[in-house]
Amino acid sequence: DTGVSQNPRHKITKRGQNVTFRCDPISEHNRLYWYRQTLGQGPEFLTYFQNEAQLEKSRLLSDRFSAERPKGSFSTLEIQRTEQGDSAMYLCASSTTRLAGDTQYFGPGTRLTVL
Amino acid sequence: GQQVMQIPQYQHVQEGEDFTTYCNSSTTLSNIQWYKQRPGGHPVFLIQLVKSGEVKKQKRLTFQFGEAKKNSSLHITATQTTDVGTYFCAGRRLTGGGNKLTFGTGTQLKVEL
Repeated sequence: DTGVSQNPRHKITKRGQNVTFRCDPISEHNRLYWYRQTLGQGPEFLTYFQNEAQLEKSRLLSDRFSAERPKGSFSTLEIQRTEQGDSAMYLCASSTTRLAGDTQYFGPGTRLTVL
Repeated sequence: GQQVMQIPQYQHVQEGEDFTTYCNSSTTLSNIQWYKQRPGGHPVFLIQLVKSGEVKKQKRLTFQFGEAKKNSSLHITATQTTDVGTYFCAGRRLTGGGNKLTFGTGTQLKVEL
């Protein structure tokens, strides 16, 4: 089963370092979403792509965050100059516009801990 | 901005009891989705409701979308230990929200034998 995969699953970094996460969506899913989830909260929308175009970006996404999906397949999320407040689970989801409803399938997430 | 609240925040039930979580949006929604997240897991899609007043059933789970498309509920009949997890609703604004999905605050369900 080729579901959504994310790498790495865990990342521990020191404050001020840059980190990059990767998401591989379900094959042929043209939409890809990034969310952030902290303990006890629901996922918080960060940004989404349709093919390689970044169509929406949350105001939560500061200048230190950047996401790319250069070939319309996998995506990367980079956080520069990490802060302790960036510690969270970063979830990726994908969907296809070929089916009604835009059902999003989530990956296992990357848990980021900033020391 | 859009807010989606869920009540209760936590629910402890004995196995076999019923459970209901309520979801309320500050804005009218085009559709609402429900997800289940097991402890340590990721959200898993359960269902989507689109029409005003829509009711859908999945075995012991009944989902309802309010007439005004601003609220929704999930009811589980005769809970089992496999129902443990956090249930999230997630909605898209009818206007002005783009494709953004706003998740609710979640209801954590614990089921005791």
